[in-house]
Amino acid sequence: ETGVTQTPRHLVMGMTNKKSLKCEQHLGHNAMYWYKQSAKKPLELMFVYNFKEQTENNSVPSRFSPECPNSSHLFLHLHTLQPEDSALYLCASSWSGSTGELFFGEGSRLTVL
Amino acid sequence: RKEVEQDPGPFNVPEGATVAFNCTYSNSASQSFFWYRQDCRKEPKLLMSVYSSGNEDGRFTAQLNRASQYISLLIRDSKLSDSATYLCVVFDMDTGRRALTFGSGTRLQVQP
Repeated sequence: ETGVTQTPRHLVMGMTNKKSLKCEQHLGHNAMYWYKQSAKKPLELMFVYNFKEQTENNSVPSRFSPECPNSSHLFLHLHTLQPEDSALYLCASSWSGSTGELFFGEGSRLTVL
Repeated sequence: RKEVEQDPGPFNVPEGATVAFNCTYSNSASQSFFWYRQDCRKEPKLLMSVYSSGNEDGRFTAQLNRASQYISLLIRDSKLSDSATYLCVVFDMDTGRRALTFGSGTRLQVQP
C-alpha cells in the first residue's frame, strides 16, 4: 500500500461540472498539502492543513475548495473551473513542523474542457 | 524574479558521465535546501538534503553557497536510471509561512 493515495488519477470535466479530488495518507502524518503542477512551471503550493486546520491558502481562487475532515484525508472540491486550471494536482503529507521532506501522492491529472 | 531558479535543460549526457546542476534562490533568509527527483509522469521524491558543509550520498554530491545563494548537485558515473527531472527546493520560515518553494526543475537524459 502506497503512503499517499490520490483518486481519481485522471479527471476530465466541463467548466460547469462539480467534482472532487481525494487524498489519503497512511503514514501517520499530521500535515497535508495540495500542490498544482502545470507544464514547465514550478510546483505551486495551494493549501496547507496542520492537525486538520487550514494554515495556509496561497491566494487560490474560490472555485477550489479544500476540505480536511481528519489528519489522514484531504479533499479538493472543484467547481466552475477554467481551462487554465488543467494541471496535475499533487497531494502531499509530512510531520507538522517538518522542514523538508514531503511525501507526495501520484497526482490527479485534471483536464478542463 | 523567480524565487528558485534552475536551468530547465535538458541535459543530455552519455552513461558514465559526470553532470552538475545549479540552482539559485532569492530569499537570503531561506533556511533549508533540498534536491527532489521527479520521474516522468510520477510524483516528486526527496533525493537529498543540502547542508552548508556539503554532503555526499553515493554518486550524488550536494553543495550550498549561502553567500551566493546558490545550490548545486553533482552526479558522477551517470546511469540510465538517473534520467529524471531534478527539482531544487528551498524551505522558508521568515514571512509567517512555513513552506517549501520548488524550482521548475532541470531535466536530465542519460543516453546509452
